[in-house]
Amino acid sequence: DAGITQSPRHKVTETGTPVTLRCHQTENHRYMYWYRQDPGHGLRLIHYSYGVKDTDKGEVSDGYSVSRSKTEDFLLTLESATSSQTSVYFCAISPWTGESYEQYFGPGTRLTVT
Amino acid sequence: GDSVTQMEGPVTLSEEAFLTINCTYTATGYPSLFWYVQYPGEGLQLLLKATKADDKGSNKGFEATYRKETTSFHLEKGSVQVSDSAVYFCALSERPGYNKLIFGAGTRLAVHP
Repeated sequence: DAGITQSPRHKVTETGTPVTLRCHQTENHRYMYWYRQDPGHGLRLIHYSYGVKDTDKGEVSDGYSVSRSKTEDFLLTLESATSSQTSVYFCAISPWTGESYEQYFGPGTRLTVT
Repeated sequence: GDSVTQMEGPVTLSEEAFLTINCTYTATGYPSLFWYVQYPGEGLQLLLKATKADDKGSNKGFEATYRKETTSFHLEKGSVQVSDSAVYFCALSERPGYNKLIFGAGTRLAVHP
């Protein structure tokens, strides 16, 4: 158990509404990530964080913003949800093992935008 | 840029059959390579990894060897079980000290009794 929780686990929202997803870790790791998973695309990186208030864009960052005010929490916000953002969202942490970084994933949030 | 290509699924096998899921990569440096597994309704779990050429990663009966000459990291298991039914993802990080992952599209495995 990597000590990662995500909330909510499921959400249905309407187009144009703001949505915030939360990722919480209990292990104080520096690196945290948000991915989306869509059929045929695997996982694609949205944003990542390398410390409190330090974040950067990933491959598919348009329409998303993030914040990290505490080590343990990494928030993903959809400012104005669109149907193309219907997806499963995964948070991950990345401890250093001594020879490589490994990523450990949360259980996911299934978001449906109607 | 770097990329990962996996064989398309679904792969359908009978219990106790031999499994191979192909993974090839494109990278400019010396990446670390990973296989992750995702069971229905769950997040991804790290299955095995290899950090340098000719390394073999292994776990739960699964194996994969880092082949730099063929830029491949094929996943194998000698005798699959119904409980191995899942989606398998190949991934790379550009170098051992780099923490962002690039994933393949995933391969769904269905094992029937």
